[in-house]
Order: sequence, then C-alpha cells, then structure tokens
Amino acid sequence: NAGVTQTPKFQVLKTGQSMTLQCAQDMNHEYMSWYRQDPGMGLRLIHYSVGAGITDQGEVPNGYNVSRSTTEDFPLRLLSAAPSQTSVYFCASSLQGAQGKLFFGSGTQLSVL
Amino acid sequence: SQKIEQNSEALNIQEGKTATLTCNYTNYSPAYLQWYRQDPGRGPVFLLLIRENEKEKRKERLKVTFDTTLKQSLFHITASQPADSATYLCALGAATGFQKLVFGTGTRLLVSP
Repeated sequence: NAGVTQTPKFQVLKTGQSMTLQCAQDMNHEYMSWYRQDPGMGLRLIHYSVGAGITDQGEVPNGYNVSRSTTEDFPLRLLSAAPSQTSVYFCASSLQGAQGKLFFGSGTQLSVL
Repeated sequence: SQKIEQNSEALNIQEGKTATLTCNYTNYSPAYLQWYRQDPGRGPVFLLLIRENEKEKRKERLKVTFDTTLKQSLFHITASQPADSATYLCALGAATGFQKLVFGTGTRLLVSP
C-alpha cells in the first residue's frame, strides 16, 4: 500500500518555466489537497478537491492550476514559475474530507532561480 | 484577520516529563481541530482530531484539550521520550469553509535523555 506518492522529490526551475507536480493516492480517497510549506509560514493550502471533476481554491491559489480527472490523481501545475514559488510542496488525501485524517506525501522541494 | 498561533520557540524538556504544546486561534469558529507530527524532510503525520463539542481526547500517551471559550487547544505528551522530538502542528477546520484545513506554524519539541 503506497499511500500518497509525490514526484519529483526535488526540482530546480528557471523563472518562467512551467512544470507539473504529480500526486497520486491508492486509498480511494475522494478528498485531495495541495499545501506549500515555507519557513515561518507553516503549511498553506493552495487548492483542494472533494472528488473527481471538482476543485476549489485555498489560501494561496495564484500562480497554480489543478485538475482532478480521476480519483487517484491530483496534479499541480505551475504555468510560469516565479522565485516566490520556491517552497516545499505537500499533497494530502483523506477519506472524510478535510475533517478526516489527512495522509501526506513526502513532499517536493522546488527551487525557482 | 484570522490567526492560528503556536509557540515558535522550541520546547526543551527532559525524558519522562510531560510536554505541553499550545495552539491559540483568533477570529475563527472552528468545527474541529487536528494535531499532526512532522519530522525533518517528511510530510506531517496525523495524531488526533477533536471536535468543537468535545473537551478532551486521549490516545495512548497523547491528550488534547479544546477550549472554545479561551480559543485554545493544549496538546500533552506524557512520559515523553527522545523519539517524541519533532515539530507538532495544529490545524483548524472552520464551521464555514468546512473543507479547508488551516495549519499553524508548528512548535518544535526536543526531548533530552
């Protein structure tokens, strides 16, 4: 049972490049979310999804896009990376929405130069 | 504005003592509160959830209290061990925006042998 799998683990981008952070879960969880974690700022919610085809914005959605075409996958897209998006990104899933136990992936460390 | 505050200074205690961590919030009407543990370089791991109508929850050596009048949650680890050293995060789910779980910045706990 893999749980929540995030790829890649590390990524370096140049300003203006685009990329997709992948997140997959094998627990059949309807709820999935993306957070970024910065020193002194804690975890901040970027986007979340309560099921396939349904997404909504969190606290800091600007500069990020998401889609949820399947229950298993919830990719996060950076269309034009900026240095302010340098952070550690965590994907999480839950069986019972945000009030349930969130299972987190191991994170993607992203640097934008 | 809404705020979740955890002590940013590390808490240092001796093995065998009880560690008490604090989570204070302002301008929130939480429906529930969760506590997570995070080790360096890893994603957070769920520990406990407590709802607004519950005063206290226990799990093994862990105890959480939730005082909606004081707008505070206390997280206790009894008989602490060096293996309990980690960062502990509290997270709130509001009565509105129910699917958004908002995290505090976390408190680092260091347990010395």
